[in-house]
Amino acid sequence: KQEVTQIPAALSVPEGENLVLNCSFTDSAIYNLQWFRQDPGKGLTSLLLIQSSQREQTSGRLNASLDKSSGRSTLYIAASQPGDSATYLCATGRRALTFGSGTRLQVQP
Amino acid sequence: NAGVTQTPKFQVLKTGQSMTLQCAQDMNHNSMYWYRQDPGMGLRLIYYSASEGTTDKGEVPNGYNVSRLNKREFSLRLESAAPSQTSVYFCASSEVPIGGVWGMNTEAFFGQGTRLTVV
Repeated sequence: KQEVTQIPAALSVPEGENLVLNCSFTDSAIYNLQWFRQDPGKGLTSLLLIQSSQREQTSGRLNASLDKSSGRSTLYIAASQPGDSATYLCATGRRALTFGSGTRLQVQP
Repeated sequence: NAGVTQTPKFQVLKTGQSMTLQCAQDMNHNSMYWYRQDPGMGLRLIYYSASEGTTDKGEVPNGYNVSRLNKREFSLRLESAAPSQTSVYFCASSEVPIGGVWGMNTEAFFGQGTRLTVV
């Protein structure tokens, strides 16, 4: 059974800092991993899909990496802004997504 | 650009009442999913449908039933609601290769959620 863990559970930083959010998973037999953003009371917005063959994916100030052998993915946010404040979820699986509990990010102006 | 649409957005039920949550997708995806999200937790899979005509249990199926009405629609039914079913429910869809195992390009798209309170 796939288990997904996200560290830290919460993070508060001043604007402008570079951030690293961590995601680990127990079953490395996956094809890809997705990172989502969730604003309070809202649905999930897909940020990045990393294929296992790609190892890394970038979108604007976001960069995500995937290391299947170690069961880890990281989401790097460059030059954080208050608008980045949200919960970030990672998820992976083979027949359906298994989610981590998320990292709640607060970027202070 | 509707994507995945869920109805209703909010619902309050009394214990023992029944209701059906509706989900429809317009992306012609073959697979659909129902998740619940509780405070401080990630999403947990209730049921999924790998293709039209098939359904399978997820991590937390007890107290729920599902129907894959056609390729577009996947409904979730609570036959006798309990306070423990108070949660936010999300529907999702994806295009999964034949055989049901996710491929490298498989990406899930989510609806905006249904906030259900059982009193």
